[in-house]
Amino acid sequence: NAGVTQTPKFQVLKTGQSMTLQCAQDMNHEYMSWYRQDPGMGLRLIHYSVGAGITDQGEVPNGYNVSRSTTEDFPLRLLSAAPSQTSVYFCASTGDNYGYTFGSGTRLTVV
Amino acid sequence: KQEVTQIPAALSVPEGENLVLNCSFTDSAIYNLQWFRQDPGKGLTSLLLIQSSQREQTSGRLNASLDKSSGRSTLYIAASQPGDSATYLCAVRPIDNFNKFYFGSGTKLNVKP
Repeated sequence: NAGVTQTPKFQVLKTGQSMTLQCAQDMNHEYMSWYRQDPGMGLRLIHYSVGAGITDQGEVPNGYNVSRSTTEDFPLRLLSAAPSQTSVYFCASTGDNYGYTFGSGTRLTVV
Repeated sequence: KQEVTQIPAALSVPEGENLVLNCSFTDSAIYNLQWFRQDPGKGLTSLLLIQSSQREQTSGRLNASLDKSSGRSTLYIAASQPGDSATYLCAVRPIDNFNKFYFGSGTKLNVKP
């Protein structure tokens, strides 16, 4: 049971480039989320999904898009990377009676 | 809006001490509360999950309690070890939005050999 898998683990982007952070879970969880973690800011919710085909915005959604075509996958797209998006990104999933399971994170640097 | 506070922000103790980390939350309408551990440069590892109907959960040297009415949870670590050094975060899951966990800012623990 792999849990939540995030790829890539590290990425360097130039300003203006786009990319997709991948997230997959094999626990059949309905709920999936993306967070970013910055020093002194804690974990901030970017987007979340309550099931396939359903997504919603969190606290800091600007500059990011998500989609949920399957229960397993929840990719996060950066449309036009900016230095302010330099951060560590975590994907997490949960079921109704469970706590959160987190992926190992993607460390993104935008130069 | 739910607010989660963790005090202290940092704690340094000698090896072998028993210690308590605190987590407080402002809205008692929670579904569950979860404690995590985060090592530097790593992801969050779940330690203990307490459902709203429970008072405590135990795993090895860890014991977490929940008092919903007072908006408090404590994480008790017995006989601390240098390997316990990490940041500990608590998160509450509100009843009205299953997907929106609220996180505290964490307590950074250093256990000195």
